[in-house]
Amino acid sequence: QVQVVESGGGVVQPGRSLRLSCAASGFTFSNFGFHWVRQAPGKGLEWVAVIWYNGINKYYTDSVRGRFTVSRDNSKNTVFLQMNSLRVEDTAVYFCARDGCSGGTCYLGDLWGPGTLVTVPS
Amino acid sequence: SSELTQDPAVSVALGQAVSITCQGDSLRTYYATWYQQKPGQAPIVVIYGKNNRPSEIPDRFSGSRSGSTASLTITGALAEDEADYYCNSRDNSATVIFGGGTRLTVL
Repeated sequence: QVQVVESGGGVVQPGRSLRLSCAASGFTFSNFGFHWVRQAPGKGLEWVAVIWYNGINKYYTDSVRGRFTVSRDNSKNTVFLQMNSLRVEDTAVYFCARDGCSGGTCYLGDLWGPGTLVTVPS
Repeated sequence: SSELTQDPAVSVALGQAVSITCQGDSLRTYYATWYQQKPGQAPIVVIYGKNNRPSEIPDRFSGSRSGSTASLTITGALAEDEADYYCNSRDNSATVIFGGGTRLTVL
């Protein structure tokens, strides 16, 4: 079925690295851009990064730029988020969301994964 | 970067109408997308673009925009509509911003 599923979360010490994956299935992966959105415990949604369908255009929120890198492997239908120099404030559930278009209107999140929890303890 | 401002909490009586607002300069250029999130679940889109609903979203949900303010209206709120609601928009052509979210309570 049409879905995206995140994996790779866990507990990681401050300053260390972690790589998240977002595995897609049920649709033509290479046609879509993907976003990473995170949600700290009890807090709101925060946009993190986007990678366009072409794999070339990538954009980040200010707080992760230079530390996080988004990439994709079209042969594996997977998007990655490499997170380096992790901080306590990076603790959150990380969601992968597809950039969808319908009737000529494009928007973030026509398809979401269940999320994966990243914990950076103090 | 820009910001989107939402009221932290709104309440509505069962069966009544309620509007949730989102204010920000980016909304003068870009339409808001509205999301519903229930505890422990991923968000789902309820409104996108000028006023479009995914097929599975009931027609009691609608969206509008006036100047720098976007609104999500629920006409005839049900108990199942109790949730957190978020708006977002493009900040520029590439980046995205979310509002802080509104917790809707159905009384």
